[in-house]
Amino acid sequence: QVQLQQWGAGLLRPSETLSLTCGVSGVSFSGYYWSWIRQSPGKGLEWIGEVNHSGSTEYNPSLKSRVSISVDTSNNTFSLKLSSVTAADTAVYYCTRQRFGTSWVFDFWGQGTLVPVSS
Amino acid sequence: DIQMTQSPSSLSASVGDRVTITCQASQDISHYLSWYKQRPGKAPNLLIYDASILEAGVPSRFSGRGSGTNFTVIISSLQPEDIATYYCQQYDNLPVTFGGGTKVEIK
Repeated sequence: QVQLQQWGAGLLRPSETLSLTCGVSGVSFSGYYWSWIRQSPGKGLEWIGEVNHSGSTEYNPSLKSRVSISVDTSNNTFSLKLSSVTAADTAVYYCTRQRFGTSWVFDFWGQGTLVPVSS
Repeated sequence: DIQMTQSPSSLSASVGDRVTITCQASQDISHYLSWYKQRPGKAPNLLIYDASILEAGVPSRFSGRGSGTNFTVIISSLQPEDIATYYCQQYDNLPVTFGGGTKVEIK
C-alpha cells in the first residue's frame, strides 16, 4: 500500500527556512512525479512544485525564488525547502504523488504538517 | 494563473438528497479537471479526474461532468459519510490551481 509520511520542523520565525521531508513506501519511487501542496485559511490550496526521480523540477512562479525541491532516491524521499518565510507562509504542508499517466492529479497525500510562522 | 470558482461555498442537504456542486474556470481547460474531498483535519482525497473518471474505490453515487469552463460534481444520494469540503482543481496549465471549496453539511 502506498504511504507518504512527512516530517520536519514546526514553528518558524520570520526569515527562517522551512524544511520538510516526505518518505515514500509501498511503491517504486521512479516513474512518478512528487509534489508539495500547502493549504492556508487565506489562500486555500496552493501547489508549490514537483520533482521526479531524476531530480527534474517545476515550481509555482509565485514561490519560485524561494523554493527548492530535491529527491533522494536511495532513501525514497523528497524534500521541500522554502526560504525567508513570513507569516503568509503559515499553512499545512502536504506531500503528494501525482497519478501515473495523468499529470498533476494527486492520488496519494501525506498526513500534512502544520507550519506556523510567528515572531 | 487560471482562476477556479466554485459555487455554492456551502450547502446543507438531507440524507438521500441529490447534491450538485459547480466549478467554473477562468479560461478553457478542456477536460483537465479533478475533484477532491476533504474531511476536517485530513488530507484531500481524489474523487474524480479528467472531469468525469471516478478514481478507484470512489462510490458510484459520485459523478462528474463538464468540459471547457464549466464543470459539476453530483452526489446522487447524499450519505452521512459525504460530509466534507469538496475542491475542484485544474491541471491544463501550470501552476495548477484549486477552487475555494464547497462545504457540504447534513440538514
